Amino acid sequence: DTEVTQTPKHLVMGMTNKKSLKCEQHMGHRAMYWYKQKAKKPPELMFVYSYEKLSINESVPSRFSPECPNSSLLNLHLHALQPEDSALYLCASSQARLADDTGELFFGEGSRLTVL
Amino acid sequence: QKEVEQNSGPLSVPEGAIASLNCTYSDRVSQSFFWYRQYSGKSPELIMSIYSNGDKEDGRFTAQLNKASQYVSLLIRDSQPSDSATYLCAVRSRDDKIIFGKGTRLHILP
Repeated sequence: DTEVTQTPKHLVMGMTNKKSLKCEQHMGHRAMYWYKQKAKKPPELMFVYSYEKLSINESVPSRFSPECPNSSLLNLHLHALQPEDSALYLCASSQARLADDTGELFFGEGSRLTVL
Repeated sequence: QKEVEQNSGPLSVPEGAIASLNCTYSDRVSQSFFWYRQYSGKSPELIMSIYSNGDKEDGRFTAQLNKASQYVSLLIRDSQPSDSATYLCAVRSRDDKIIFGKGTRLHILP
């Protein structure tokens, strides 16, 4: 059983819709991540939160808006997406981004997004 | 030069044999290296991490790191059909980002 839970598992949305992806972890980790993965490609980093602060934004379009309400929760708000944004969106957590952090990522099962 | 490079495969290995997966990385100062397994349609699962030169063994898996050659490998002994998956090599970059290689598809032949 994964200790990082993502909802919903599947989401279909139109280009004018607003939706959100949610992620929750109960491992006491202080860093949380959003990755995007297209078919037959590696995960691609989007955002990193460390101690509830946004520390990395990989030049992601503003139609993707991350939010970290507390150290256990991570959201990704979606608005005016394009069909090419269809992908598997992966949430991950790790202990922290400090010098002694192992860097090991623990992934949720992902949310498969289809934009029509 | 790509940051993390892997042969995309597919790599076909008979059941019971040793599967050898390789990865090279470009940033000489990288200190943390990981292998993830990803089944089709599923999320990546961490199987090994390695931080210092040499071998690290965990059950049927052995990770090998050679920082001088900027080379990481994963050996899977006694390969099983359930090992058929894509194996992603990942490296923590100098700015703390975890960068993934494109992955190697492994197919264990029954």
